Amino acid sequence: AQSVAQPEDQVNVAEGNPLTVKCTYSVSGNPYLFWYVQYPNRGLQFLLKYITGDNLVKGSYGFEAEFNKSQTSFHLKKPSALVSDSALYFCAVREEASGTYKYIFGTGTRLKVLA
Amino acid sequence: GAVVSQHPSRVICKSGTSVKIECRSLDFQATTMFWYRQFPKQSLMLMATSNEGSKATYEQGVEKDKFLINHASLTLSTLTVTSAHPEDSSFYICSASFGLRGRTEAFFGQGTRLTVV
Repeated sequence: AQSVAQPEDQVNVAEGNPLTVKCTYSVSGNPYLFWYVQYPNRGLQFLLKYITGDNLVKGSYGFEAEFNKSQTSFHLKKPSALVSDSALYFCAVREEASGTYKYIFGTGTRLKVLA
Repeated sequence: GAVVSQHPSRVICKSGTSVKIECRSLDFQATTMFWYRQFPKQSLMLMATSNEGSKATYEQGVEKDKFLINHASLTLSTLTVTSAHPEDSSFYICSASFGLRGRTEAFFGQGTRLTVV
């Protein structure tokens, strides 16, 4: 079964500093990896995805993620954090089997950007 | 594009009553829809996967008679919590996707906060 792990429950970063939210994956075959962000009492918003191609994926709101096959990681990054980036971030993998599929989510990492 | 609308955003109901939550894909045809439950400060727990015109596939431990899912069209899925009890209080989120062919990411509704009193 596919899985993703987010080792940090919370990440604190000062505004203007670079941020990294970590995600590692365990999949068989080629991974379909995603990052989502959730604001309080809201659904999830899609940020970016890796399917194939360039290891550095650029997404919404200035976020990017680097796919690293040797380290089985897909860390989310942003060069300069904003206070408004404070939210809950989820890494996910799409699991396909027998013509069906579903998304497996990590436990989430709460990002706090301090002014 | 790819907007998913979930309604209602918040509902309070009495114990023993049923509540229906709607999930609509507004600008695309959603072959597959998913229903999740999220507890405070926790991740999303997949409850079931539904494909248009067929029965939903429930995850282990989810009571299919309590959480009725209907996916009658390519743009609408509903979740009915039957005979709700306080322990069913939670944040329910739906998502919709294009299927095995097409865009690979899923799109989420705004969520429904259910409180059973």
